[in-house]
Amino acid sequence: QLQVQESGPGLVKPSETLSLTCTVSGGSISSTGNFWAWIRQPPGKGLEWIGSIYYTGNTYYNPSLKSRVTISVDTSKNQFSLRLSSVTAADTAVYYCAREISSRADSWGQGILVTVYS
Amino acid sequence: QSALTQPASVSGSPGQSITISCTGTSSDVGGYIYVSWYQQHPGKAPKLMIYDVSNRPSGVSNRFSGSKSGNTASLTVSGLQAEDEADYYCSSYTSSSTNVFGTGTKVTVL
Repeated sequence: QLQVQESGPGLVKPSETLSLTCTVSGGSISSTGNFWAWIRQPPGKGLEWIGSIYYTGNTYYNPSLKSRVTISVDTSKNQFSLRLSSVTAADTAVYYCAREISSRADSWGQGILVTVYS
Repeated sequence: QSALTQPASVSGSPGQSITISCTGTSSDVGGYIYVSWYQQHPGKAPKLMIYDVSNRPSGVSNRFSGSKSGNTASLTVSGLQAEDEADYYCSSYTSSSTNVFGTGTKVTVL
C-alpha cells in the first residue's frame, strides 16, 4: 500500500521561503506513470493544485504560482519537495502531497498546516 | 487558470439522490476524460471517489456515479446516507498540462 507523508516547518515568516518534503513509502517514486503533486487548502477554503513532478524531473506548475514555486525530486531518497518563495499570509494553508496517475490523486498525505506569521 | 464552478451547497434527505455539477471550459472539463471527484470530511485529507469521468476506485460505494456532458461534469450520490455529508470537489486535467480543482460543494444530509 503506497503512502505519502509531508514534513517540514509549520511556521514561516513573511517574505521567506516555505520548504516541505514528501516521503513516499510502499512503492518507488520512479514508477512509470506516477506523478507526484502538491496541493494546498487555506483554512476554510477550497483545494488549489500547486504543481507536480515526474521522476525524470519534468515539472508542471499552476500558472498563478509558477513564478514562486519549485518542485524537485530525489529518487535516491524516494522523496519530492516543494519550495514556495516570498510567502505572505495568503500562503497559510494545509499543504498536501499526493500521487497522481492520469491526473487523478489517489494517495494523499495527511496534510501539514503551514502558517505564515509576522 | 480559473477554478471550475460548483454550487456552494447541495442538500437532501436520507435515501434521496443529489447531483453536483462542475462547469469548466473546452480547455479542461470539455476537452478531456480526466475528470475526478473527491470527498473531504472535516479535518481529513480528500478521498478519490470518481476518476476518468465515471470510474469508481476499488472500495468506493456504487451509490456514487459520475457523468459528463460538454463542459459540465456531474457527480450523483444516490441513496443518500448521513456519512455522505462532506465537501466534494471536482478536478480536471487542462490544456496547459496542469490540473484544476472546482470551487467545492458542501453536501448536507437533512
